[in-house]
Amino acid sequence: GENVEQHPSTLSVQEGDSAVIKCTYSDSASNYFPWYKQELGKRPQLIIDIRSNVGEKKDQRIAVTLNKTAKHFSLHITETQPEDSAVYFCAASKLTGANNLFFGTGTRLTVIP
Amino acid sequence: NAGVMQNPRHLVRRRGQEARLRCSPMKGHSHVYWYRQLPEEGLKFMVYLQKENIIDESGMPKERFSAEFPKEGPSILRIQQVVRGDSAAYFCASSSTANTGELFFGEGSRLTVL
Repeated sequence: GENVEQHPSTLSVQEGDSAVIKCTYSDSASNYFPWYKQELGKRPQLIIDIRSNVGEKKDQRIAVTLNKTAKHFSLHITETQPEDSAVYFCAASKLTGANNLFFGTGTRLTVIP
Repeated sequence: NAGVMQNPRHLVRRRGQEARLRCSPMKGHSHVYWYRQLPEEGLKFMVYLQKENIIDESGMPKERFSAEFPKEGPSILRIQQVVRGDSAAYFCASSSTANTGELFFGEGSRLTVL
């Protein structure tokens, strides 16, 4: 099955700085890579996703890059704000048949005001 | 659109009792996924169901755990003879089809086994 690794496990940045979280996956058939944000005690919520037919996607301060050859993808948050503090999970799946998401172990991001 | 509804939000059981967790998917969604999250850990896939069918249960423990998604009513995750190691947050997610990508998560059911 798919194995997704994520690091770092914790990340602290000063407000206004950038944050980068990296993930690798094992199954070359995976073609969908979402990122979820989970605030303390809350549900995971999708913040951005990328499919294997593109290498980069951006949405305001958030961007994701994908390198299919190397089987890794990254989340970039620019101009971080205190409300960005949360746990971020990367995931991978195959959008054919079953859409089971396999999650990384999470990164706890703390933005220091 | 009410979103994915899970209940109970919190459940306390003693060792050996049964726990039943319910999930109503978003309106129009026929695909349901259950995930388990241990404290300070990630989300582990358990089972994927469509109406009246288990599609993938590769993440389910072999014993004591079962899931169903009947034609009428919510999906149920059932844990028999609970042990302390079952204490976790159990999240349900739904999607409209298998190929759209995004899963919408409920708020989770937090099971505590005394």
